[in-house]
Amino acid sequence: SSELTQDPAVSVALGQTVRITCQGDSLRSYYATWYQQKPGQAPLLVIYGQNNRPSGIPDRFSGSSSGNTASLTITGAQAGDEADYYCNSRDSSYNHLMFGGGTKLTVL
Amino acid sequence: EVQVVESGGGLVKPGGSLRLSCAASGFTFSNAWMSWVRQAPGKGLEWVGRIKSKTDGGTTDYAAPVKGRFTISRDDSKNTLYLQMNSLKTEDTAVYYCTTEIVVPAAITYLQHWGQGTLVTVSS
Repeated sequence: SSELTQDPAVSVALGQTVRITCQGDSLRSYYATWYQQKPGQAPLLVIYGQNNRPSGIPDRFSGSSSGNTASLTITGAQAGDEADYYCNSRDSSYNHLMFGGGTKLTVL
Repeated sequence: EVQVVESGGGLVKPGGSLRLSCAASGFTFSNAWMSWVRQAPGKGLEWVGRIKSKTDGGTTDYAAPVKGRFTISRDDSKNTLYLQMNSLKTEDTAVYYCTTEIVVPAAITYLQHWGQGTLVTVSS
């Protein structure tokens, strides 16, 4: 199907590790990309490809994939990581792009 | 420094038209694939469509909700991307973002540089 599914909300204690997941059939063929969006700001690319971080993204952000599920892991979450996180990949049927519904991360 | 700056948003009545622009700098615009992404108030991100570089054919692709109503074009001499929106509906109300789309062989596609967006409100 042409969908990416994310949990609407996830919480993590300060300094702990959290995994945000994204499921979809297209992820068997294409890597997921992850974006962070804070209120009132444009999305920011944080992970692309197998596990690549753009310059300036801390190494506590990492990506992984297995079957139809991609994951974004934040190791040692900080208050500044509180944001909405979106996954994105190519639609295997139409070569379009699609986004997951987003996961709101709360750092307690 | 790479910059993409959207403009042209505003209030328009249902059925009306609007053209958004995206001025790019800091990279070779003519070689870039460009995408538009929108975000309705309080909602998630939605891909609108893309235009490939002319060397890759310059073709366009559109998401189903906008196909036939929206047109993406580019002027490489001006380093500018456009989104012509016709027959606008209330559900097109959103912040519209311009982004660079990077396509790497081996199944990797990502939207690298984003503008700050421009708000389009469709309301009577």
